[in-house]
Amino acid sequence: DAGITQSPRYKITETGRQVTLMCHQTWSHSYMFWYRQDLGHGLRLIYYSAAADITDKGEVPDGYVVSRSKTENFPLTLESATRSQTSVYFCASSDFLEGGETQYFGPGTRLLVL
Amino acid sequence: KQEVTQIPAALSVPEGENLVLNCSFTDSAIYNLQWFRQDPGKGLTSLLLIQSSQREQTSGRLNASLDKSSGRSTLYIAASQPGDSATYLCAVDRGSTLGRLYFGRGTQLTVWP
Repeated sequence: DAGITQSPRYKITETGRQVTLMCHQTWSHSYMFWYRQDLGHGLRLIYYSAAADITDKGEVPDGYVVSRSKTENFPLTLESATRSQTSVYFCASSDFLEGGETQYFGPGTRLLVL
Repeated sequence: KQEVTQIPAALSVPEGENLVLNCSFTDSAIYNLQWFRQDPGKGLTSLLLIQSSQREQTSGRLNASLDKSSGRSTLYIAASQPGDSATYLCAVDRGSTLGRLYFGRGTQLTVWP
């Protein structure tokens, strides 16, 4: 499928388990991003990547790990899930153009940590 | 830190009205400002992007303006329709890290027939 996809779309897990959320884009965009969306906080950046093998922390990185071995994939791992990580997670991608380029968002993964 | 505020938090109007959604940001040194739309249970869809050197952008019934000096942007929706019902999010890119966006919490719009 063309565009940006996320899997799974829904996930229920237990406290302490490791969970990996997948993100895949078909445009070969340089930049990829992970956000979480919570009531009362809006969208907050977790991690971002400017290219393969280049990643950096965003606003709320604690408890998360990312990797980017291939341009098209940007998985997000919760090393030991906590209830506070219950949220909706969005992946996004964009390319660099002078003046800025819009970000394209995936459909989101709804994660519930029990 | 860049703070982005959107007013009102929610808006309910009859079909056909012209609407104004407001966005303000604390740091005027921005690279660009973007407006997104989010439908319930869905991801975000980009509506308009205004570069820092621009004053406004238009797409169909949507017009977004930017006043960097006052730290404000306005999204104008003309002749609203029920299909416009969604949450509208404003986001600013400071340019210090390209593509890193700071989001407001959104305005939830309901347009009833």
